[in-house]
Amino acid sequence: DAGVIQSPRHEVTEMGQEVTLRCKPISGHDYLFWYRQTMMRGLELLIYFNNNVPIDDSGMPEDRFSAKMPNASFSTLKIQPSEPRDSAVYFCASSETLNTGELFFGEGSRLTVL
Amino acid sequence: AQSVAQPEDQVNVAEGNPLTVKCTYSVSGNPYLFWYVQYPNRGLQFLLKYITGDNLVKGSYGFEAEFNKSQTSFHLKKPSALVSDSALYFCAVRGSYKLSFGAGTTVTVRA
Repeated sequence: DAGVIQSPRHEVTEMGQEVTLRCKPISGHDYLFWYRQTMMRGLELLIYFNNNVPIDDSGMPEDRFSAKMPNASFSTLKIQPSEPRDSAVYFCASSETLNTGELFFGEGSRLTVL
Repeated sequence: AQSVAQPEDQVNVAEGNPLTVKCTYSVSGNPYLFWYVQYPNRGLQFLLKYITGDNLVKGSYGFEAEFNKSQTSFHLKKPSALVSDSALYFCAVRGSYKLSFGAGTTVTVRA
């Protein structure tokens, strides 16, 4: 398997623009997670899905952030409008189970909002 | 509430020496404990986990970790460090709530 695939790897945009990050999880994994990593706050869980259904979105910082999983092989994280404080590395991860399964992370999408 | 503490921001060791990265946790119920490693500009990679059973867990790349329930610790160890082990290491715990990551420990192994 190719692992978790994220795109784009790098995104530079201007404040106010819409940003869409994409993720393809490992086939057969029922859980998909979106994390954000910054120097100040470390790794933060934004949202996770089980069988394409959002289960916990309490980590989504505000209404400007939204995530969807239209099918088992694709998820998006959208920021609209983007702000400089959204600059971070966004990781997608997938796992077979919730409690005992390890997470498989993608390479991340580095977002810079000017 | 659950939490993970990695008390050392940085660990520096010479190649060939033992490496220890410390982790303590707080969780209600039985803990599920994990170690991940992150190389520069890469995603996190799973190293090992403790779910139940033997307190000494062996993982990838020669790493092992010991679960100590009385001290609520799960320290990562490697008997002989390599320069290629230089990376950022994360401890994580899952209790009855979501997975919580520590702040990370930067390991530098000098030749």
